Amino acid sequence: EAGVAQSPRYKIIEKRQSVAFWCNPISGHATLYWYQQILGQGPKLLIQFQNNGVVDDSQLPKDRFSAERLKGVDSTLKIQPAKLEDSAVYLCASSLDPGLAVHFFGPGTRLLVL
Amino acid sequence: AQTVTQSQPEMSVQEAETVTLSCTYDTSESDYYLFWYKQPPSRQMILVIRQEAYKQQNATENRFSVNFQKAAKSFSLKISDSQLGDAAMYFCAYRSARGFKTIFGAGTRLFVKA
Repeated sequence: EAGVAQSPRYKIIEKRQSVAFWCNPISGHATLYWYQQILGQGPKLLIQFQNNGVVDDSQLPKDRFSAERLKGVDSTLKIQPAKLEDSAVYLCASSLDPGLAVHFFGPGTRLLVL
Repeated sequence: AQTVTQSQPEMSVQEAETVTLSCTYDTSESDYYLFWYKQPPSRQMILVIRQEAYKQQNATENRFSVNFQKAAKSFSLKISDSQLGDAAMYFCAYRSARGFKTIFGAGTRLFVKA
């Protein structure tokens, strides 16, 4: 089966610019997660969707970050405007069954904000 | 709030030998899941092993096994017969059975020497 797809793989922008990331989860996976992984740290959950509804976005900086999952399939994460501290790898993951909680991760998008 | 602590930023092991990675967590709940994920260099994160807290038996997956000590809130990963392909970042993770959020530790970088 195809894995979790993410694009772009790399992005370099200047501070105050906008950027968007795209994720396509494994077919049939109802749960989709966006994580931020800063260098040297573990992944931190930004937002979790169950189908197209938000389950948890308590750690999403809502003044600059937004995410949507239209039709309960693929998802986009946007940063507007970007700050230097947003430099990180943004990981998308999906789960078939939220009860099992096993994550299938995409390759990530590495963002550098200059 | 739940926390996950990996006290070893780096570990190294000789090929074919055994290494143990440590993880402790803090929770007031009795039912939860614990995970070890592997993140190879420039490759996506994958699940290594999963443990359900209500199960007393330690999980095993081929050369990977855990030592789950519920009272001590300890969840270590043992890798036997280490191989060069085991070199990666290893993340310990926790999720409450009642909640939705998975919490990751900061990771341990494992080096395997030929």
